[in-house]
Amino acid sequence: DGGITQSPKYLFRKEGQNVTLSCEQNLNHDAMYWYRQDPGQGLRLIYYSQIVNDFQKGDIAEGYSVSREKKESFPLTVTSAQKNPTAFYLCASEVGVNYGYTFGSGTRLTVV
Amino acid sequence: AQSVTQLGSHVSVSEGALVLLRCNYSSSVPPYLFWYVQYPNQGLQLLLKYTSAATLVKGINGFEAEFKKSETSFHLTKPSAHMSDAAEYFCAVGFKAGNMLTFGGGTRLMVKP
Repeated sequence: DGGITQSPKYLFRKEGQNVTLSCEQNLNHDAMYWYRQDPGQGLRLIYYSQIVNDFQKGDIAEGYSVSREKKESFPLTVTSAQKNPTAFYLCASEVGVNYGYTFGSGTRLTVV
Repeated sequence: AQSVTQLGSHVSVSEGALVLLRCNYSSSVPPYLFWYVQYPNQGLQLLLKYTSAATLVKGINGFEAEFKKSETSFHLTKPSAHMSDAAEYFCAVGFKAGNMLTFGGGTRLMVKP
């Protein structure tokens, strides 16, 4: 079945460390997105990519980085510059906005 | 600026009661409209979508939503709430083809026995 796979489900990071969250899709979607979710704050856009080798900053890109070397993959790196990285991270993809987004199951990152 | 507003961050209903979750958007052009549901520690799942074929849209789990252009609304309803409906619900709007979705702030639905 086609879908989006995020891994790992749970991730623990020590302060000062970079960590990379994986997002892979086999839906042949061009556009991919990363969102951050905190309690009571809805979804906030971190980065998005509408085509391979191109990506744009979202509303809260500081302290994060991404790459889009393959259509199927859009990894997110949470760097040590992100001061409050503990959150639930969601990846999504879409083939056209009229079809809506397909979401992964999320990664919960906790800084210890 | 284009926006999506979900009235009420928390809604509580009794089991068997009507569920009504409100969504309003700002746009003069009929948009693409979606409702998503999110269960704890999971991603968002598409409940239903409006893409101009019919103003009343039926979705999964007995939910439906009605597009009202004059009110710029797309409220989500279910005639009889079930305990399993307890979740967070997000309204999302695509304001024109090719643009990204804009999400509302979410409404947490609680169902009391």
